[in-house]
Amino acid sequence: DTEVTQTPKHLVMGMTNKKSLKCEQHMGHRAMYWYKQKAKKPPELMFVYSYEKLSINESVPSRFSPECPNSSLLNLHLHALQPEDSALYLCASSQDRGGRRDTQYFGPGTRLTVL
Amino acid sequence: AQSVTQLDSQVPVFEEAPVELRCNYSSSVSVYLFWYVQYPNQGLQLLLKYLSGSTLVKGINGFEAEFNKSQTSFHLRKPSVHISDTAEYFCASGTGRRALTFGSGTRLQVQP
Repeated sequence: DTEVTQTPKHLVMGMTNKKSLKCEQHMGHRAMYWYKQKAKKPPELMFVYSYEKLSINESVPSRFSPECPNSSLLNLHLHALQPEDSALYLCASSQDRGGRRDTQYFGPGTRLTVL
Repeated sequence: AQSVTQLDSQVPVFEEAPVELRCNYSSSVSVYLFWYVQYPNQGLQLLLKYLSGSTLVKGINGFEAEFNKSQTSFHLRKPSVHISDTAEYFCASGTGRRALTFGSGTRLQVQP
């Protein structure tokens, strides 16, 4: 089973709202990732958690706040977003066997629209 | 620094014709390469990967890729495409930071 699930599938929010994106995997993976993907572009890495600790933060604005409650769950808390934050947000996970060899498995994504 | 270049932004092809999607990489260290497919409004699905061993890698949905160290390439091929193969294809390289370096993507458009 190589399934990563994400909820919700679609989210529309105003600039003053607070919302959260959720991601879950049951493959025993120890690394989890958030990516942002704009239309017709490759995914851009936002955050990496390794063994439930934040490993990489790619200089993401503080209006995006990640959280890893346990090894199977990953959240992305959203607050005071801007219209340019509208994008497909992808979650991924991997075994975390040491960097370059790791195979990442992606979820279906959450399509976020900020009004 | 590693980089991945996908030479074609769009590849139109007729159904049942063969197709090759090109990917070149640059790296001064050992390479680990991946091909992902993204259907409209979906996430990325792993097609195949090269970590070591045989340079010819077979993946899902009839795709295969060949790792060529001398030409620094990892081109994706399928001998006969279907309408359902219409999608965006991304070549990626594993880095040492638990991150992937993606190419810019190739849009495969299969026409009847």
